[in-house]
Amino acid sequence: GENVEQHPSTLSVQEGDSAVIKCTYSDSASNYFPWYKQELGKGPQLIIDIRSNVGEKKDQRIAVTLNKTAKHFSLHITETQPEDSAVYFCAASGTDSWGKFQFGAGTQVVVTP
Amino acid sequence: ETGVTQSPTHLIKTRGQQVTLRCSSQSGHNTVSWYQQALGQGPQFIFQYYREEENGRGNFPPRFSGLQFPNYSSELNVNALELDDSALYLCASSFKGPGTEAFFGQGTRLTVV
Repeated sequence: GENVEQHPSTLSVQEGDSAVIKCTYSDSASNYFPWYKQELGKGPQLIIDIRSNVGEKKDQRIAVTLNKTAKHFSLHITETQPEDSAVYFCAASGTDSWGKFQFGAGTQVVVTP
Repeated sequence: ETGVTQSPTHLIKTRGQQVTLRCSSQSGHNTVSWYQQALGQGPQFIFQYYREEENGRGNFPPRFSGLQFPNYSSELNVNALELDDSALYLCASSFKGPGTEAFFGQGTRLTVV
């Protein structure tokens, strides 16, 4: 089955700096890669996703890149703000496993003013 | 707001008891997936329901069972509760198809004592 590894487990950045979180996956059949943000006491919130037919996607300060050959994908947050502080999870699923995500272990992001 | 609601938000049960958790899916969605999230970890897939049928199951014992109703809402039932069942239980609502987004509810925090 699919295995998703996520690094780093914690990330501390100064407000205004960039944050990068990296994930690798094992199943070459995976073709959908969402990123979720989870704040304390809340459920995961979908912030951006990428499908295997594209290599990069941007949404304002957030971007995701995908390298299918190397089986890794990354989340980039630019101009970080204190409200970006949260736990971020990457996930993967495939056509035969749609909606049945394998999640990474999470990255605790702390943005200090 | 995702439109996915879970009830109750918090629950305390005694070891050996049974529990039922509920999830209302987002309008237009026909699939509900359930996840267990232990403290400090990523969500783990329990099972998925599509059109009232179980459509895939993770590595969870049979005492974890579920239902989906004609309006696509869903229940998660856990029998013979164990201390290790203490976790945040999340449901995710989606529309069947590869690469479709899944939206999570706020979760039910279950504590087994």
